[in-house]
Amino acid sequence: DQQVKQNSPSLSVQEGRISILNCDYTNSMFDYFLWYKKYPAEGPTFLISISSIKDKNEDGRFTVFLNKSAKHLSLHIVPSQPGDSAVYFCATRHNTDKLIFGTGTRLQVFP
Amino acid sequence: KAGVTQTPRYLIKTRGQQVTLSCSPISGHRSVSWYQQTPGQGLQFLFEYFSETQRNKGNFPGRFSGRQFSNSRSEMNVSTLELGDSALYLCASSETSGSIDEQFFGPGTRLTVL
Repeated sequence: DQQVKQNSPSLSVQEGRISILNCDYTNSMFDYFLWYKKYPAEGPTFLISISSIKDKNEDGRFTVFLNKSAKHLSLHIVPSQPGDSAVYFCATRHNTDKLIFGTGTRLQVFP
Repeated sequence: KAGVTQTPRYLIKTRGQQVTLSCSPISGHRSVSWYQQTPGQGLQFLFEYFSETQRNKGNFPGRFSGRQFSNSRSEMNVSTLELGDSALYLCASSETSGSIDEQFFGPGTRLTVL
């Protein structure tokens, strides 16, 4: 059973607009959440993270929101750029346990 | 600093064979984790090694095994290959065990089982 779900396999956004990627999880014990970006033929690279004691974390154009009551995580990219086109994975863990990844969302940013 | 390297990058095997994949972590990193990426399943954790000891293990059958050497290089082995083992195998290294957001991934080994 999938403990972390990214229900949108793909997303297409115009350059300059906002990209919103969503992630849902099932276990309320998860206490740390991360987003990774993956280009073809490369390994995932860490993008941004958030602890369960926060509900928002910002890093430049990237903001992650955490709604613990809804067990929902989202990544906002503003403004979106063509170089942001990649597959985005959300991931989570409990304490120092193993990372659990979602299935990924392919983001395409078009001019 | 050189990044995480994985060899080989591509591999084609037939059912029933075994395969060994190699991962060299970033210099100074002592933790190596392995993941399997398949379409529709995302990245699934296989195991983590730290200082030559397996620290954590995912829900994979015993056909999947690994080890880590004293220089922190790691290998994973899959025996009696099945078609469903076709996937991208990624390794990631970090300085210590549990340093999740400082985990750096290699480019992966694409395994195709025919």
